[in-house]
Amino acid sequence: DVKVTQSSRYLVKRTGEKVFLECVQDMDHENMFWYRQDPGLGLRLIYFSYDVKMKEKGDIPEGYSVSREKKERFSLILESASTNQTSMYLCASSSGTGAPYSNQPQHFGDGTRLSIL
Amino acid sequence: AQSVTQPDIHITVSEGASLELRCNYSYGATPYLFWYVQSPGQGLQLLLKYFSGDTLVQGIKGFEAEFKRSQSSFNLRKPSVHWSDAAEYFCAVGANAGNMLTFGGGTRLMVKP
Repeated sequence: DVKVTQSSRYLVKRTGEKVFLECVQDMDHENMFWYRQDPGLGLRLIYFSYDVKMKEKGDIPEGYSVSREKKERFSLILESASTNQTSMYLCASSSGTGAPYSNQPQHFGDGTRLSIL
Repeated sequence: AQSVTQPDIHITVSEGASLELRCNYSYGATPYLFWYVQSPGQGLQLLLKYFSGDTLVQGIKGFEAEFKRSQSSFNLRKPSVHWSDAAEYFCAVGANAGNMLTFGGGTRLMVKP
């Protein structure tokens, strides 16, 4: 089974801090994704990556950046955390070479619930 | 751009009753369609997917979904709900290769004993 591991289940940070959320997958997947999940809004894509050192903006990239230095690891960075970034963050991965193919199922981690005070 | 609507935010059914969760999508061509389930405190798990072919798709945990092009729908069904099915369910649509998945807002299912 695919295993997508997010480093923290719960995280509390202060406004203005730089926050790192880490995600590791063990299936050698090419594609990795970061979403945020808010009640009633479903999942919204922040960034995705289809190869090492490659990244593409999703629907809501403002206030976030990402890093993918190794194939198995995809990090989400909040450069200066704000209270409106309090949310559940989900990481996912999928197979498929080149640009991410939307017909490949995405495998999700358990999420990080981030609170910004 | 594609979009997904799940009209029911909350649904409550009795254990053993049948279930239907609605999903409507907007996209000009044949989409790729998915249903995911999220149990409390966990990530999303794929229930089933539709790419092409038979419009009735079987998934895990006894779920099935039917693609109806004329209605732009992909409703999820289960003949007899178990208490362990209480969770949030997400419908998602993908378009051509290279486009991302778009998720609906989710439907929270509660199961009465």
